[in-house]
Amino acid sequence: AQSVTQPDIHITVSEGASLELRCNYSYGATPYLFWYVQSPGQGLQLLLKYFSGDTLVQGIKGFEAEFKRSQSSFNLRKPSVHWSDAAEYFCAAYTGGFKTIFGAGTRLFVKA
Amino acid sequence: GAVVSQHPSWVICKSGTSVKIECRSLDFQATTMFWYRQFPKQSLMLMATSNEGSKATYEQGVEKDKFLINHASLTLSTLTVTSAHPEDSSFYICSARDVATGGEKLFFGSGTQLSVL
Repeated sequence: AQSVTQPDIHITVSEGASLELRCNYSYGATPYLFWYVQSPGQGLQLLLKYFSGDTLVQGIKGFEAEFKRSQSSFNLRKPSVHWSDAAEYFCAAYTGGFKTIFGAGTRLFVKA
Repeated sequence: GAVVSQHPSWVICKSGTSVKIECRSLDFQATTMFWYRQFPKQSLMLMATSNEGSKATYEQGVEKDKFLINHASLTLSTLTVTSAHPEDSSFYICSARDVATGGEKLFFGSGTQLSVL
């Protein structure tokens, strides 16, 4: 079955430290992959996307993600976290048929 | 980028009343819109796919008579929670595809927090 897994329910990092949020997908082919961020009480904002080509994609707010086919992963990274990055992050995969599958989300806490 | 406007942002209503939530694509035409429900600290649960000019497609377990969806134009879809009860309290989010740019990207509304007393 098609699925998107985010193994970490929540992560806490210190401000200025690096961040990596994990995402694994299960799908027969390579789906289109996305990372979204959701602030409390808000909708989702697209951070970045991978369709094809260069496996390292750059997004907004200093985020990047690397697609690794061998690991079926699409991990989100940021070299230096800011307090304003505290939010819920969702990995998603578009597998065609107008359906997008979301992971369960990872809550990021940033400590001073 | 494409903008999706969702209104209202939050609503409090009495049990038994109906609530309408609007989702508008402001600068693109959306033949397909999606409605999600999100419980606290959980991911988005797709409720239904709204297709312009035709009936919505509901996911398994979602009561279509409870959650009425209308997509009468290319820029507007509405979700009406009929005879709302406290268990319907949730965060509802809509999204839309901009087919003109490929259709794979979703643009989300800002969500509606529904509280049923």
